[in-house]
Amino acid sequence: EDKVVQSPLSLVVHEGDTVTLNCSYEVTNFRSLLWYKQEKKAPTFLFMLTSSGIEKKSGRLSSILDKKELFSILNITATQTGDSAIYLCAVGSNSNSGYALNFGKGTSLLVTP
Amino acid sequence: GAGVSQSPRYKVAKRGQDVALRCDPISGHVSLFWYQQALGQGPEFLTYFQNEAQLDKSGLPSDRFFAERPEGSVSTLKIQRTQQEDSAVYLCASSRTSVDIQYFGAGTRLSVL
Repeated sequence: EDKVVQSPLSLVVHEGDTVTLNCSYEVTNFRSLLWYKQEKKAPTFLFMLTSSGIEKKSGRLSSILDKKELFSILNITATQTGDSAIYLCAVGSNSNSGYALNFGKGTSLLVTP
Repeated sequence: GAGVSQSPRYKVAKRGQDVALRCDPISGHVSLFWYQQALGQGPEFLTYFQNEAQLDKSGLPSDRFFAERPEGSVSTLKIQRTQQEDSAVYLCASSRTSVDIQYFGAGTRLSVL
């Protein structure tokens, strides 16, 4: 059975800290891994990763995929209170259900002033 | 519109009532997905449409759940005879094609009393 595990489940940091969020997966016929930020509104797309070792970067956020060890990390540097949210990792696979994303439970990040 | 739009944002139903949740995808997006997100969990796949065709409904938890997209644009998720365990956030996502980035709506929070 396909599985996506995120860690830690929750995290509290001070503004300015750097955080690393983890996502490991076991899926058949891996296609892509996506990161989303979920606040009290629509989950917002952050990154889609398909190839190992290529870092994707957007401002203070970056992410990388390791297809050999089956995990991805999401880094946030110089955190701000606006980074407080749930970060969701999802994996797409070319398997039975075809195109659905398989999500982890999310990491709840709280950035305190 | 610019993003995926869902309505209503909140719905309170008495146990046994029928509810209908609406999703208006991004214009031109072929693929549409419904997910169910319980408290503290990641979204879980319910069903997938490609244009008006429902290609996968393997995630629908029971035959009380029904989804349609008759003209290949707006979709409705209907839950008949609601039960307390149906309480969750129902998220809709659309994408240009089945393997592209999925963009989410803000969801409908359903509470069944």
